[in-house]
Amino acid sequence: NAGVMQNPRHLVRRRGQEARLRCSPMKGHSHVYWYRQLPEEGLKFMVYLQKENIIDESGMPKERFSAEFPKEGPSILRIQQVVRGDSAAYFCASSPIFKGTDTQYFGPGTRLTVL
Amino acid sequence: SQQGEEDPQALSIQEGENATMNCSYKTSINNLQWYRQNSGRGLVHLILIRSNEREKHSGRLRVTLDTSKKSSSLLITASRAADTASYFCATDGKGGSEKLVFGKGTKLTVNP
Repeated sequence: NAGVMQNPRHLVRRRGQEARLRCSPMKGHSHVYWYRQLPEEGLKFMVYLQKENIIDESGMPKERFSAEFPKEGPSILRIQQVVRGDSAAYFCASSPIFKGTDTQYFGPGTRLTVL
Repeated sequence: SQQGEEDPQALSIQEGENATMNCSYKTSINNLQWYRQNSGRGLVHLILIRSNEREKHSGRLRVTLDTSKKSSSLLITASRAADTASYFCATDGKGGSEKLVFGKGTKLTVNP
């Protein structure tokens, strides 16, 4: 059973460009979470999605950031017009469809560098 | 505001010694989890302890939870150089929120 997959693993963008980060959850998992980690910091929650629904986006910046989890395909975290402060590691996690198992399984992360 | 706060921020020990890391949190929880992160890598889930549990073991790991003090500890016994990593506690919220709130982590170095 493959784990949570994220790509790309490393992404370099110039200021003003767009960044697209992809996350494929573990097989059988329909809950996806995105977190951001700045250097030497813990992870900060951004958004929680189920298939075709955003459940909680309280950690997402109001502008430039968006997330989706379509019926088919991976979840996408999109950052428009990137700025240097967006440089961070972005982690995706997934959990199973049924409640009661609260463990979130994390992907390897995408390290975004904004030049 | 930060929910989980680990201490110490950094810990350096010799192989074979035990390592204890602590985590404090502010609000009531359903469960608390510990994760490990090797430098530049993703997070690996170590152990989950529910709010009605006081202690849990997994191999060389022992986790305790004191809900009255809103604190947890992670003990790694007989440490190995391969245990060198950052360790994070993460809590959820009893309000039904599924998001995890992480502390800044404890950076553990185990010297051979």
